[in-house]
Formats: sequence, C-alpha cells, structure tokens
Amino acid sequence: QKEVEQDPGPLSVPEGAIVSLNCTYSNSAFQYFMWYRQYSRKGPELLMYTYSSGNKEDGRFTAQVDKSSKYISLFIRDSQPSDSATYLCAMRNSGGSNYKLTFGKGTLLTVNP
Amino acid sequence: DGGITQSPKYLFRKEGQNVTLSCEQNLNHDAMYWYRQDPGQGLRLIYYSQIVNDFQKGDIAEGYSVSREKKESFPLTVTSAQKNPTAFYLCASSSRDRLSYEQYFGPGTRLTVT
Repeated sequence: QKEVEQDPGPLSVPEGAIVSLNCTYSNSAFQYFMWYRQYSRKGPELLMYTYSSGNKEDGRFTAQVDKSSKYISLFIRDSQPSDSATYLCAMRNSGGSNYKLTFGKGTLLTVNP
Repeated sequence: DGGITQSPKYLFRKEGQNVTLSCEQNLNHDAMYWYRQDPGQGLRLIYYSQIVNDFQKGDIAEGYSVSREKKESFPLTVTSAQKNPTAFYLCASSSRDRLSYEQYFGPGTRLTVT
C-alpha cells in the first residue's frame, strides 16, 4: 500500500461548481498536511496547510483533515477557470530531523467557463 | 526578489552523456531538495540536503548525484547510469525550523534525453 493515495482524475467541472479533492494515507505519524497547486509546466506552490485534525478556511478554499480515518480533503467553492491546475496533497511527520514531504500523485482539475 | 531559480528551463542531451541541473536559492534556507515528476507519478524525491556538505538519498537516487558546497546551491547531476532520465525536475528549499511545513519550489527544468 502506498503511503499516500490520490485519485489522479482528470476532474472536469463547470464554472461555479464545488470541487472536492481527496487523499488517503497510511502513516499515522503524519501531522502536517498540505495542498499544493501546480499550473502546467510550473513549480508547485503552497495553497493550504493544516496541522493535525480539523478544518481550515481561506477564501474559497477549505482544507479538512480526519486523522481517525487517515483522510484529507480540499474543497473549492465557486470554482473559476483560473483554478484549473493539478492539485497535490503532501504530508510530513511532526518535528524530528526528517523534513521530507510525501506527496500524492496529484489530481488534474479543469474548470470550464 | 527572494526565490529559487533553476536553469535552464529546457535541456536536451544525447544518451550516454552526464548533465548537471542548476538550483540556486536566496531564501537563506538550510534544506534543499530535488524531485522528479513524470506524468501520473506525482513528485518523487531524488536527494535532499539539510545542511551544507551533507545530503541524503531520497526514494529514487540511483543514477543521480548531488553536491552541497554552498548553502545557496544544490546542483543535480543526471548520470548516464540513469535509465529513464527524460522528466521534469523540480528543486525546492525549506527552513529547518522543526515547525516548518512549506517547501518553496523552483520553476523546474524539463530534461529530454534522446
């Protein structure tokens, strides 16, 4: 079983739709959970992060972490064509000397005008 | 402007040749990373370095080598031993603060080997 599983899509939605992106993981030591957005032929950029379980909202974006189910989600409200990108979940352990992030494979999202 | 630069953006090489990809950062970050991205594979860690003159193998280090002689620079050499070198290569850096979570990525280098 891979440490992080993410449905690669592709996911195509109409403008204004609510988008749900998800990852599951197997390593219970993961404490930091991140979502990166990557436009075509560009480097990823951090979109949202959450520490441990809970929700975090930033504008149209909401990140949720359910550690009991080892499941994280990113919701995008009122999706826009500019949201079209690949979304990568990433996670890491808490503290220590290991700074490695473990990434999902990414979900390709297209928002159609 | 602070950030990470990778050069060149596109690189073409003949099979059997070694090639070195450049990565420079002016964010004063101690930790630096090299990833490889293939379609449908996500980001896979090649090497990482938490401090100058020290680096560790990631998940797919075979056929690659790195050096970390300066805090700002972390070049990656793709050797002729790498069986499938054609890919998109991403460099990243981060703070070593134990609470740090964000890795900052460069724009990437697309390497094509024929």
